Amino acid sequence: GENVEQHPSTLSVQEGDSAVIKCTYSDSASNYFPWYKQELGKRPQLIIDIRSNVGEKKDQRIAVTLNKTAKHFSLHITETQPEDSAVYFCAPLHDYGGATNKLIFGTGTLLAVQP
Amino acid sequence: DTAVSQTPKYLVTQMGNDKSIKCEQNLGHDTMYWYKQDSKKFLKIMFSYNNKELIINETVPNRFSPKSPDKAHLNLHINSLELGDSAVYFCASSQGAGGVVNTEAFFGQGTRLTVV
Repeated sequence: GENVEQHPSTLSVQEGDSAVIKCTYSDSASNYFPWYKQELGKRPQLIIDIRSNVGEKKDQRIAVTLNKTAKHFSLHITETQPEDSAVYFCAPLHDYGGATNKLIFGTGTLLAVQP
Repeated sequence: DTAVSQTPKYLVTQMGNDKSIKCEQNLGHDTMYWYKQDSKKFLKIMFSYNNKELIINETVPNRFSPKSPDKAHLNLHINSLELGDSAVYFCASSQGAGGVVNTEAFFGQGTRLTVV
């Protein structure tokens, strides 16, 4: 079955430092690689995504890099701020074709940014 | 103008009771999901529906029965509630299906279910 793991499971950084979270997946059919952010008590929301024909994508302080050969992709946050504190989930899409796409979430990473 | 709304937001009930959680999306999406988030924050997929049809049932006890009267609604009924059912349940919807790689999932605000 599918296996989606994130490392680390918890990450504490000082404000202004960078944070990197890695997502490893097993299904080579995956072709869409999003990251979601879930603040405490809130719903998960998409923050950035990448498709399999692209190696890197940036949006201000966040970026995602993809290594399809090694089957992992990473979230990079630079100049972290306290409001970046949240749980982050990767959710590589397993494309089975037809209507059976299955959005499986990684194990989650709790990021704490210390002021 | 809520995109995905679920009710109730909080639900406290006794073991053995039957309860329902409702979900509606106004995004015109074809696919809807139910996820369970436990105390360790794992987001585990339970069900996926596409155009009212059950697509994915992730080995969920048959006490959980989803119902989709139309593609904008996906309700979750739970029979004979157990202590272990306590969790936050999220409904979500997305447009992608059939190989369309644009499957941002939009989540409802969650329903915190507490079984006592």
